[in-house]
Amino acid sequence: SYELTQPPSVSVSPGQTASITCSGDKLGDKYVSWYQQKPGQSPLLVMYEDTKRPSGIPERFSGSNSGNTATLTISGTQAMDEADYYCQAWDSSTVVFGGGTKLTVL
Amino acid sequence: QLYLQESGPGLVKPSETLSLTCTVSGASISSGTYYWGWIRQPPGKGLEWIGTIFYSGNTYYNPSLKSRISISIDTSKNHFSLRLTSVTAADTAVYYCATTSDIVTKVGDYWGQGTLVTVSS
Repeated sequence: SYELTQPPSVSVSPGQTASITCSGDKLGDKYVSWYQQKPGQSPLLVMYEDTKRPSGIPERFSGSNSGNTATLTISGTQAMDEADYYCQAWDSSTVVFGGGTKLTVL
Repeated sequence: QLYLQESGPGLVKPSETLSLTCTVSGASISSGTYYWGWIRQPPGKGLEWIGTIFYSGNTYYNPSLKSRISISIDTSKNHFSLRLTSVTAADTAVYYCATTSDIVTKVGDYWGQGTLVTVSS
């Protein structure tokens, strides 16, 4: 079965750029979406089709996907961006999630 | 705006069947516009996709759960349902329903608030 690998944690200082990676075999050939989840809340779609932001998601969120790695980048990270982030892809008619990355803003 | 609300028992006994319903408002489940899915999250762990259904009845299931799950649509009530048989403690999780306009690019544009289901005797 297809697997997506994310680092368990990423730390960033306020105002700096945070990059969260998601790795999988030939991931660049698939569409990747990203979900933000804060404690006690449902996941929120923050990026889809690798680079598209849903309405209402700040411009500081951007995405890329090439080769075996997709990246969610948060520029000018704010305290409110502290959350768990999950990447997701579609493979062989199944949905696959990465294990999640805890983003700490400190 | 589209809203999803999960409902069902919060406690299920081991070996029994877990049944949940997701009621949809703001869209017709039979419109052919959306895919309807279930995702779960064990306490303190990550997201796990369970399965997704299209209004036509086409279903997509997690291979690791396929033998125990069934997802169905009731257009008259504008809701869709999940059945998970032979549950164990490992099935204890927050269960979310979600919908997307394109299952290939994303599993959930809109999500329900989630419902905690505990498997215990």
